[in-house]
Amino acid sequence: KNQVEQSPQSLIILEGKNCTLQCNYTVSPFSNLRWYKQDTGRGPVSLTIMTFSENTKSNGRYTATLDADTKQSSLHITASQLSDSASYICVVRRTGGFKTIFGAGTRLFVKA
Amino acid sequence: DGGITQSPKYLFRKEGQNVTLSCEQNLNHDAMYWYRQDPGQGLRLIYYSQIVNDFQKGDIAEGYSVSREKKESFPLTVTSAQKNPTAFYLCASSIEGGQGAYGYTFGSGTRLTVV
Repeated sequence: KNQVEQSPQSLIILEGKNCTLQCNYTVSPFSNLRWYKQDTGRGPVSLTIMTFSENTKSNGRYTATLDADTKQSSLHITASQLSDSASYICVVRRTGGFKTIFGAGTRLFVKA
Repeated sequence: DGGITQSPKYLFRKEGQNVTLSCEQNLNHDAMYWYRQDPGQGLRLIYYSQIVNDFQKGDIAEGYSVSREKKESFPLTVTSAQKNPTAFYLCASSIEGGQGAYGYTFGSGTRLTVV
């Protein structure tokens, strides 16, 4: 079954600290993996995209990694800011059949 | 600025009513989608359209209907047949079909509540 599992469900960190969010997937055959940021009451916004051959991609303080062999991805946030408080959603697309599967998201709270 | 606009932001529905959520985009995207978001769950696809005057059911289409008369517009009607409609609804578009191979642009969402 094609699934995307994210952990932790929620996370609280202090401003300025780093954190890492996890995404495990069983989607096959794999096409690409995206991380989205969703502010409360807003639509998701794309942060990074990685294909099978890519194992790291950065967007400012956000760095995503992908291990296609173990089917795991992580999103590392460096020097967190209050504005990083949001849900982070891992989205995996499979080839053939045009199927996109969304994870349930990790809710990040950054405290001053 | 190009973007995708959803309205209203908040919507309240009485039992037995049909309500329509609006979605408009000026990105010249061919494909448009409707997703439902519930707490603790990933987004679930309701309907999608890859071209004008054509649309396909997603994973949870029962109790919903759509139309695609113009490229820019993809309204969603939540009918009285949808027994649990309270949720956050997201409209999205992409430059081609195939469920967003090049990524989605999302609207800001409509929160629907049954009263």
